[in-house]
Amino acid sequence: EVQLLESGGGLVQPGGSLRLSCAVSGLIFSNCAMYWVRQAPGKGLEWVSGISTGGGSTYYADSVKGRFTISRDNSKNTVYLQMNSLRAGDTAVYYCANRNVNGNGWFDYWGQGNLVTISS
Amino acid sequence: EIVLTQSPATLSLSPGERATLSCRASQSVRSLIAWYQQKPGQAPRLLIYDVSSRATGIPARFSGSESGTDFTLTISSLEPEDFAVYYCQQRSEWPLTFGGGTKVEMK
Repeated sequence: EVQLLESGGGLVQPGGSLRLSCAVSGLIFSNCAMYWVRQAPGKGLEWVSGISTGGGSTYYADSVKGRFTISRDNSKNTVYLQMNSLRAGDTAVYYCANRNVNGNGWFDYWGQGNLVTISS
Repeated sequence: EIVLTQSPATLSLSPGERATLSCRASQSVRSLIAWYQQKPGQAPRLLIYDVSSRATGIPARFSGSESGTDFTLTISSLEPEDFAVYYCQQRSEWPLTFGGGTKVEMK
């Protein structure tokens, strides 16, 4: 069974930092490009960041560039999102999603979502 | 950035009716369009990719088509479990973008 298990969310003050983790099982992790997608309360989906299978290429939405860093540890089948200088506008449910580079090329599997709340 | 505009925002239909959802791209996306379904409190689920290919386990009542930069998701006969929000997404170029969503609600 494929599982993407997210952790690390919570409440943090503006300007603070948080690190999200997404542990993947049931897939060949090294074949998966990994992504983070967020959804503000009552709003639509927004792509945040992506990382290639080996970690050598990373991609960011302009709204988070310079503040967020995506990374992965293929020995632990885990992808991370380090979030710094957090703002109220970053409040959202954060989903990790995989893209099997040997499959259909789209977001096949998603985590359950992890709520990040930025508030004083 | 490629902007995806979905319409209508809300579609009010009854079970058994046909649903037609639209997604218009601001420029060519080279047929690299997918559709996702999201129910309240759940993660999105991939339905259709590359315009018209159904993802694993997706029923045949879901279909996709394109005409230039206009893309359509059709649900031929709505089942009770199909009432949800639907998003289109492109991966033709960075940044990846999603449409604003269409909510299919029960009439």
